[in-house]
Order: sequence, then structure tokens, then C-alpha cells
Amino acid sequence: GEDVEQSLFLSVREGDSSVINCTYTDSSSTYLYWYKQEPGAGLQLLTYIFSNMDMKQDQRLTVLLNKKDKHLSLRIADTQTGDSAIYFCAERLISGAGSYQLTFGKGTKLSVIP
Amino acid sequence: NAGVTQTPKFQVLKTGQSMTLQCAQDMNHEYMSWYRQDPGMGLRLIHYSVGAGITDQGEVPNGYNVSRSTTEDFPLRLLSAAPSQTSVYFCASRRSGEQFFGPGTRLTVL
Repeated sequence: GEDVEQSLFLSVREGDSSVINCTYTDSSSTYLYWYKQEPGAGLQLLTYIFSNMDMKQDQRLTVLLNKKDKHLSLRIADTQTGDSAIYFCAERLISGAGSYQLTFGKGTKLSVIP
Repeated sequence: NAGVTQTPKFQVLKTGQSMTLQCAQDMNHEYMSWYRQDPGMGLRLIHYSVGAGITDQGEVPNGYNVSRSTTEDFPLRLLSAAPSQTSVYFCASRRSGEQFFGPGTRLTVL
């Protein structure tokens, strides 16, 4: 199967850490991505992690991958009001010779309370 | 580079009308795709193309046609619009690695 699951909503206070979780079902995924969508805009790639890594840190963002449990998380430290957006988890699956598709979760809407 | 551009930004159609959503990219990307985004459904792949002259169906292709006569352009056609096609449509492109998204077209079918 090719399902990517995320909770739909998360609310945090400004300055706290946010943790957005994602589970996926296909163990052959090579890359896993986090995209951010601000209101009225397209999707912007935030970060990604290769499937042979456990963790990746990029400034305020930390991605953790538990390949055994097929669980991916995105932690945002010191969450700011500008982080309010919808966050999509996506997995990369090989779809044919030299090609791949991205399968997206339904998105988690992060609301930051001032 | 302008990246991925989409026109129009907003469109209202009546049931049965036809229209074409335009998508263009200036990054010489081989792969282009169309998604629709509906509340609580995330992004669903409609059609994609791995290069000029090659297109294929995604998860939800019914009611949509595409063509890819050039590397730059990947239009999405609705031949007879239905209210179920009310959605936000995103075009995306990539060569390898990062997928770039356009700003979206918000379509309402009455």
C-alpha cells in the first residue's frame, strides 16, 4: 500500500516546540519529505531525509525517522507565528524505470497561539 | 528563473463548460505533474509527464486530459466541468530531487 497518514490539526503556543508526526506504509521509500503550505500559496519543500538516516537537523527543524516503525516526525523548535501553515509529509516511491512518484499525506494544520 | 507559473489564479465555470489550466516552467525540467487539493484529502495526483510527448495517469485522472508538446508547458484540460472538480489545482515540476510547485489555480464549478 501507499498510504501516508498524518493528524489533521496541531495547536501550540509561541516559543514552544511543535512535533508533527507521519506514518507511511511502503518500506521501499527512498526519501521522505516535509513540505510547508502557507495560506493561498503552493507547497514549499522544507526538508527531506534519506531512508538510511535516523535524524537530520537544519536550524530550527529536526527530522526523525524510525524506519522499523515507518514513522517520521518534524520538530520545530521555538515555534513562531510565521510557522502557522499546513505541513505535508510525502514519501518517494519508485514508479517505473528511472522514475518515481511522491505520495502525500493529507497535511497537518499547525496553529501557533501568540 | 520564474519557476513554475500557473494561470489563471482563479476561475469560475458553469457545469458543462470546458477550460484549460495553463502550467509552464523555465527550469528545463523533464517531469511535470498536476495535483488537486481538496479539504481533508491532501494532494492527489491527476496526470503526470516524464518528458515531452509522454503523459500518464495518476490517482484521479477521470474528467481531465493533458498533453505535453514542449518541455516547458503542461496544460490541464477539463472538457465538461462538473461541481466535483471544484478544487485547488497545483502544477509541479522536477528534474531529479526537489519538486517545485506552482502557486495554484482555484477553480469553482457551479
